[in-house]
Amino acid sequence: GQQLNQSPQSMFIQEGEDVSMNCTSSSIFNTWLWYKQDPGEGPVLLIALYKAGELTSNGRLTAQFGITRKDSFLNISASIPSDVGIYFCASNTGGFKTIFGAGTRLFVKA
Amino acid sequence: NAGVTQTPKFRVLKTGQSMTLLCAQDMNHEYMYWYRQDPGMGLRLIHYSVGEGTTAKGEVPDGYNVSRLKKQNFLLGLESAAPSQTSVYFCASSYSRLADTQYFGPGTRLTVL
Repeated sequence: GQQLNQSPQSMFIQEGEDVSMNCTSSSIFNTWLWYKQDPGEGPVLLIALYKAGELTSNGRLTAQFGITRKDSFLNISASIPSDVGIYFCASNTGGFKTIFGAGTRLFVKA
Repeated sequence: NAGVTQTPKFRVLKTGQSMTLLCAQDMNHEYMYWYRQDPGMGLRLIHYSVGEGTTAKGEVPDGYNVSRLKKQNFLLGLESAAPSQTSVYFCASSYSRLADTQYFGPGTRLTVL
């Protein structure tokens, strides 16, 4: 079935560093979504991408919809301690069904 | 607005026991969803509802039942809990069928012994 592969699984970085993570699949998607989950909370949508090649920013976050429509990237610039959490990519497989990657767990050391 | 709320936050069950998880939303959303989240895996859709009185199966529906008797509430039932159902359960709601409009609740952590 369709699957989203996220990498890396976890990252340990210093405050102020930039972060890059990605999401790949063997399937083509028309939408790419990036969520963040804080400890003990539900996921919150950060960025939604709808078009191949699209580059979208939300504050210090920038995400791109890959040209092949099989991947997406999320970058965080100048990380701060509150960036800690799990970042999920997701996409809609048709109808009401959304699939999620396994997540990238980010740790930020002050 | 409270958004999406879930009750209870934590629960421990013994194998074979039953329970119901309650999800409530005050945003007048038509669509509601139940997901489970397991370690090292993304969220997986259990069941969803496209409106009051309707429900449909998601990716992993076995062992669960749902009901949407009122627009604002979506109930997830476990008739005979199994250890494999130990997970964190998230409810979500949305005003359209697009995946980017989903708002998630804080989750219910369920342990089945």
